[in-house]
Amino acid sequence: ETGVTQTPRHLVMGMTNKKSLKCEQHLGHNAMYWYKQSAKKPLELMFVYSLEERVENNSVPSRFSPECPNSSHLFLHLHTLQPEDSALYLCASSQDGRGSYNEQFFGPGTRLTVL
Amino acid sequence: AQKITQTQPGMFVQEKEAVTLDCTYDTSDQSYGLFWYKQPSSGEMIFLIYQGSYDEQNATEGRYSLNFQKARKSANLVISASQLGDSAMYFCAMREAGGTSYGKLTFGQGTILTVHP
Repeated sequence: ETGVTQTPRHLVMGMTNKKSLKCEQHLGHNAMYWYKQSAKKPLELMFVYSLEERVENNSVPSRFSPECPNSSHLFLHLHTLQPEDSALYLCASSQDGRGSYNEQFFGPGTRLTVL
Repeated sequence: AQKITQTQPGMFVQEKEAVTLDCTYDTSDQSYGLFWYKQPSSGEMIFLIYQGSYDEQNATEGRYSLNFQKARKSANLVISASQLGDSAMYFCAMREAGGTSYGKLTFGQGTILTVHP
């Protein structure tokens, strides 16, 4: 496996279900990100983990719960979602350090549909 | 206020011709980075090109070049010799230093490029 992988690629869930999205990066990076991409909207940064510590939470509802057990893996746990949460969820990673501008590498995304 | 503005929701270009996708940005930082990403219908975001605010020369990567005009706060993407496979959504993004050590990107709304044969 190379780059950034995400599973599942597609997910349909009911409002009462609990599911998790998984992201894995094989690039040796030290920062990982969750983005939400809704139709006709710019990508919205949800969470940032740097060195396995959550450093940013952009006013995301508590029904989204991130987890970063190590520098290579990132999860997004979902529970009691709403139909408006249907979107493409993108994971990214980068090698970061103060003053550096290394690009973020993205995974293929999980297309989530909440019924 | 929007930090990244892409004013062209859609663009069309003939195969083998050049096309320019517009991007303007707003920041008070002196140190920042500008990125362009391509998103095909498959959904994956593909990094294309990067320009640092202190870079004096415009960035180039193969058929992609970035027309960086710092005073105007614009960072337009130029694709030369368009190919059918270039049809995709294109996003401009900015990373501000902001005192953080991690990369926080702000994205524009994107431009859908369609290449006609």
